[in-house]
Amino acid sequence: EAGVTQFPSHSVIEKGQTVTLRCDPISGHDNLYWYRRVMGKEIKFLLHFVKESKQDESGMPNNRFLAERTGGTYSTLKVQPAELEDSGVYFCASSIQTGGSNEQFFGPGTRLTVL
Amino acid sequence: AQKVTQAQTEISVVEKEDVTLDCVYETRDTTYYLFWYKQPPSGELVFLIRRNSFDEQNEISGRYSWNFQKSTSSFNFTITASQVVDSAVYFCALSEFGGYQKVTFGTGTKLQVIP
Repeated sequence: EAGVTQFPSHSVIEKGQTVTLRCDPISGHDNLYWYRRVMGKEIKFLLHFVKESKQDESGMPNNRFLAERTGGTYSTLKVQPAELEDSGVYFCASSIQTGGSNEQFFGPGTRLTVL
Repeated sequence: AQKVTQAQTEISVVEKEDVTLDCVYETRDTTYYLFWYKQPPSGELVFLIRRNSFDEQNEISGRYSWNFQKSTSSFNFTITASQVVDSAVYFCALSEFGGYQKVTFGTGTKLQVIP
């Protein structure tokens, strides 16, 4: 069974440009989470989808970030316009259901560098 | 609110030494999950262990062992006879039990094992 995949693995853009990150969760997983690690800091929660609905977006830093999950399958995270402080590694995770022993499986991350 | 503290930012050990990575957490929940993840230089997050808060039995897996002390809110991780391949950033994390379970991470401890 394929794990969580993320694309691209690495993106280098200039300040002011737009970047879209993609996450494909494990098939059948209703829950999809985005996290971000800025250099040297903790990995921070950004938001959580249950199917196509945003359940919790309390971690989204500002309105330059837009996450979607149309159809409840893959998700995209768009940063527009990108700023220098957006550089970091963006992780996606998925889980099959909420509650109980609901393990989140993490993707390999997308390393974003904003110059 | 949940919080995870990893006071050790970086640790260097010589190969074959034992090393303990500290983790202290805060939560108001009576039941919760604790995790350790490894992030090797390649960048992906590798799941190491999950522990339920109601199971304080320590666990050993090969050269890895975990010491969960609920009384001191600590979940320390020991690597015995360290190897160069253990060099990575290690994250301790916490999530609620049930619910939507967003994960709260510590800032990570960078371990360098010197040959």
